[in-house]
Amino acid sequence: KAGVTQTPRYLIKTRGQQVTLSCSPISGHRSVSWYQQTPGQGLQFLFEYFSETQRNKGNFPGRFSGRQFSNSRSEMNVSTLELGDSALYLCASSLSWLPTEAFFGQGTRLTVV
Amino acid sequence: QKEVEQDPGPLSVPEGAIVSLNCTYSNSAFQYFMWYRQYSRKGPELLMYTYSSGNKEDGRFTAQVDKSSKYISLFIRDSQPSDSATYLCAKQGAQKLVFGQGTRLTINP
Repeated sequence: KAGVTQTPRYLIKTRGQQVTLSCSPISGHRSVSWYQQTPGQGLQFLFEYFSETQRNKGNFPGRFSGRQFSNSRSEMNVSTLELGDSALYLCASSLSWLPTEAFFGQGTRLTVV
Repeated sequence: QKEVEQDPGPLSVPEGAIVSLNCTYSNSAFQYFMWYRQYSRKGPELLMYTYSSGNKEDGRFTAQVDKSSKYISLFIRDSQPSDSATYLCAKQGAQKLVFGQGTRLTINP
């Protein structure tokens, strides 16, 4: 059974650009969550989608957005990149909206220069 | 105050030692608590989760929740060099997980 797949694994962008990250959940999982991980702040919740609906959103500016498709695949977008957006972005999938057994992907390492 | 507090360490112990990792939490509206292990350049891997208070054992790992003191613990028996990683505690929130900072653990051969 394939795990959570995130693409790309590494990304370097320039300040002011925008970026789109992709996440394919485990087959059958309908909930996808996104987290940002930095050395200073640790793992912080960005948003959660279940059946194409955003159910919860963390305390991040509106430059961070996401969506989920009918096949449960999800994308997150960051516009007008700032240096502080450099982080590991992690996607987690679970069967339902309850995150009791959330499985993470390998993450996308975003570097903003 | 953060919802989940965890000492970032680093923690270094000799092989074979018993390791104790701890977190404290606030706002206990939900009942599930988890431990994740994260190796360098990898995503977090779910080790185990517990419901409400009590212990849960899985091989060399034991998770413990004390709701009266709002304490979450992970014990690793007979620690191995392969256990060297960052350990993250988390509590269930509304459609999300709330993580501690993570403790970097090194097991020395």
